[in-house]
Amino acid sequence: EPEVTQTPSHQVTQMGQEVILRCVPISNHLYFYWYRQILGQKVEFLVSFYNNEISEKSEIFDDQFSVERPDGSNFTLKIRSTKLEDSAMYFCASSEWGLTGGTGELFFGEGSRLTVL
Amino acid sequence: ELKVEQNPLFLSMQEGKNYTIYCNYSTTSDRLYWYRQDPGKSLESLFVLLSNGAVKQEGRLMASLDTKARLSTLHITAAVHDLSATYFCASFGWGAQKLVFGQGTRLTINP
Repeated sequence: EPEVTQTPSHQVTQMGQEVILRCVPISNHLYFYWYRQILGQKVEFLVSFYNNEISEKSEIFDDQFSVERPDGSNFTLKIRSTKLEDSAMYFCASSEWGLTGGTGELFFGEGSRLTVL
Repeated sequence: ELKVEQNPLFLSMQEGKNYTIYCNYSTTSDRLYWYRQDPGKSLESLFVLLSNGAVKQEGRLMASLDTKARLSTLHITAAVHDLSATYFCASFGWGAQKLVFGQGTRLTINP
């Protein structure tokens, strides 16, 4: 069964360092998302991406964050200068038709745990 | 701004019992999602409810959606230990491409 894959599974970094989290969405999917979950808390939306541009972003997704689809398969989240409060699990998700089309189903990857020291 | 609220947030129950998790959302939406999350793991899709009155069942779990009341329920029948997990509901505002999640319900099923 096709799945969303994420790397790395765990990254430890020093405050102020740049981090890139990578995702390979399901191959025929057109909509891509990043969410994050601080330990023990709820899942928070960061950004949605369609047709090579951001379609929606949250207040969390400030100038320190960026997303890119550098080739036909990868979807990356970059945090330019990490802060302690960026420590969280970051989930990538993809959808064939987006939330309003078809079954609207989102498929989540296994997550990348980011620890900022 | 869409708000999604679940209750209860914590639920400890015995095997064999029935219980219901409630999910209220604040703005008009035709779709409601339920996910399961095991500790340290990803979000597993349980149900996508696509319209008012939708009911879906999988094993001991049954979900329903009432868009007029802005309420979804996840009913657990004859609970077994394997169902211990955190359950999230999520919805989105019309035209948006972001899911807003509830706080999650941590379900513990004791033998």
